[in-house]
Amino acid sequence: GAGVSQTPSNKVTEKGKYVELRCDPISGHTALYWYRQSLGQGPEFLIYFQGTGAADDSGLPNDRFFAVRPEGSVSTLKIQRTERGDSAVYLCASSSGQSTDGYTFGSGTRLTVV
Amino acid sequence: AQSVTQLDSQVPVFEEAPVELRCNYSSSVSVYLFWYVQYPNQGLQLLLKYLSGSTLVESINGFEAEFNKSQTSFHLRKPSVHISDTAEYFCAVREFQGAQKLVFGQGTRLTINP
Repeated sequence: GAGVSQTPSNKVTEKGKYVELRCDPISGHTALYWYRQSLGQGPEFLIYFQGTGAADDSGLPNDRFFAVRPEGSVSTLKIQRTERGDSAVYLCASSSGQSTDGYTFGSGTRLTVV
Repeated sequence: AQSVTQLDSQVPVFEEAPVELRCNYSSSVSVYLFWYVQYPNQGLQLLLKYLSGSTLVESINGFEAEFNKSQTSFHLRKPSVHISDTAEYFCAVREFQGAQKLVFGQGTRLTINP
């Protein structure tokens, strides 16, 4: 597509529930990144995919967070047993995979855990 | 590991005044440097980047940034700002090789007053 698409744009869930956040990257971009942005903070790295595999998942805060990219295109970030502290904007970005490239970001999913 | 410090969380300026947004970084390896902008209710957009060569890089909308290796800085400047420059600005670094993730600073909110 023309840009990185993230759905839903807003998600409100109850504490303890499971949520899935979807990212559809730019067609042909092999690299895909998930970030989390809390209010007043810069984006915080979560996980990076090169193709179908997670090349770096060092930013996932704990085992409640998991992400997949089964066909090397669309990715889903999954959060189990959500906590109020998970409330943030979750950003997805894609790139060609070259270290000289900037990322193209989606508009994000605002997750609110009540 | 890399880190990025944006020294000012908020910068208010009058329209047509000059502005400088400060960014310092720390890294044990060589890095590429980026500035991203986030306009109200929009996603992050790449503003400019330093890869190599001339230490002064420019964007299409009048911003410029200068890489200073000895001071490990990459400050963003504009000689005359407009109301439309109101946004949050993020400095980021990325290793030449190895980890592909961007590491962001905390952001600087630029507010332009008429």
